[in-house]
Amino acid sequence: KAGVTQTPRYLIKTRGQQVTLSCSPISGHRSVSWYQQTPGQGLQFLFEYFSETQRNKGNFPGRFSGRQFSNSRSEMNVSTLELGDSALYLCASRAALNTEAFFGQGTRLTVV
Amino acid sequence: GIQVEQSPPDLILQEGANSTLRCNFSDSVNNLQWFHQNPWGQLINLFYIPSGTKQNGRLSATTVATERYSLLYISSSQTTDSGVYFCAVETGTYKYIFGTGTRLKVLA
Repeated sequence: KAGVTQTPRYLIKTRGQQVTLSCSPISGHRSVSWYQQTPGQGLQFLFEYFSETQRNKGNFPGRFSGRQFSNSRSEMNVSTLELGDSALYLCASRAALNTEAFFGQGTRLTVV
Repeated sequence: GIQVEQSPPDLILQEGANSTLRCNFSDSVNNLQWFHQNPWGQLINLFYIPSGTKQNGRLSATTVATERYSLLYISSSQTTDSGVYFCAVETGTYKYIFGTGTRLKVLA
């Protein structure tokens, strides 16, 4: 059974650009959530989608957005990149609420 | 919102030693998981344990939901156990709140 797949694994962008990250959940999982990990703030929740609906959003500026497609794959977008957006972005999938979450390998974004 | 505290923040052990990592949380939770973050950043699932006790080889975990804490036990530690261990809890809001982690280093 394939795990959670995130692409790309590494990314270097320039300030002001935008970026799109992709997450393919485990087959059959309909919930996808995104987290940002930085040395200063730790692991912080960005948003969660279930059947194409955003059910919760973390405390991030509007430059951070996401969506989920009918096949449960999810994308997150960050516009007008800032140096502080440099982080490891992790995606998790699970079948439903109150079930185990599984994480992908992450996308390491560097903004220069 | 709920607070999640992990202790100790750092731990250095000799290979073969045992250790206990603790996770305290400030409110009732629906879900609790323990993860090991590998050097490449991936979070590896250790236990899904909203309550009770589980064991997997040299690792075991106990969550006492009524007292709002969880413990992760590592026995006969190996150098490959090194890394950061995270506890994460969910309160029914579709998001996990992570602790700040315990950084474990096992010396050969």
